[in-house]
Amino acid sequence: AQSVTQLGSHVSVSEGALVLLRCNYSSSVPPYLFWYVQYPNQGLQLLLKYTTGATLVKGINGFEAEFKKSETSFHLTKPSAHMSDAAEYFCAVSDQFTGGGNKLTFGTGTQLKVEL
Amino acid sequence: DTAVSQTPKYLVTQMGNDKSIKCEQNLGHDTMYWYKQDSKKFLKIMFSYNNKELIINETVPNRFSPKSPDKAHLNLHINSLELGDSAVYFCASSQGLALQSYYEQYFGPGTRLTVT
Repeated sequence: AQSVTQLGSHVSVSEGALVLLRCNYSSSVPPYLFWYVQYPNQGLQLLLKYTTGATLVKGINGFEAEFKKSETSFHLTKPSAHMSDAAEYFCAVSDQFTGGGNKLTFGTGTQLKVEL
Repeated sequence: DTAVSQTPKYLVTQMGNDKSIKCEQNLGHDTMYWYKQDSKKFLKIMFSYNNKELIINETVPNRFSPKSPDKAHLNLHINSLELGDSAVYFCASSQGLALQSYYEQYFGPGTRLTVT
């Protein structure tokens, strides 16, 4: 079974500082990896995903993540935090099913707080 | 235009009641999902349908019964509601899965269910 571990349930950064949200995965097959963001009282929005190819993935809102197979990691970064980045961030790994659809297994989430 | 919509957004009801949550997607996707997010924001898949057929059924009490009248709709009916059913329920959709590819999931805004 696949699993995801997000280190740090709460991360606090200053506006303009580097954002680093950690995600490690466990998978017996090459994984598909995702970062989703959830703003208060809203649904989840895809930030970026890794499927195959280039290991450095760029997403929306200036975020990027690097797939490191040797470290089984997929950490999310942003060079300069903005107040609007304050949200809950979820790392997820997909579990391929035949016959249609993927089952996403989510990490426990990291609440990002951005301070002035 | 809302891609994945859910109704109602909020649902407050008493223990023992039966309630339904509706989900519709206008993306032309083949696969739809229900996720449950608990009070600690942990997200877990409950069900998935592909072309109106059930393909994922996690360990969910049989009081929960999904129904897909057509590809664009996936409803969730819950019988005999319990306090522990209080959560946010998210619907999602994605294109059908080809064997070696992945399609991202688009999430609805969620339905906050409170059982008193």
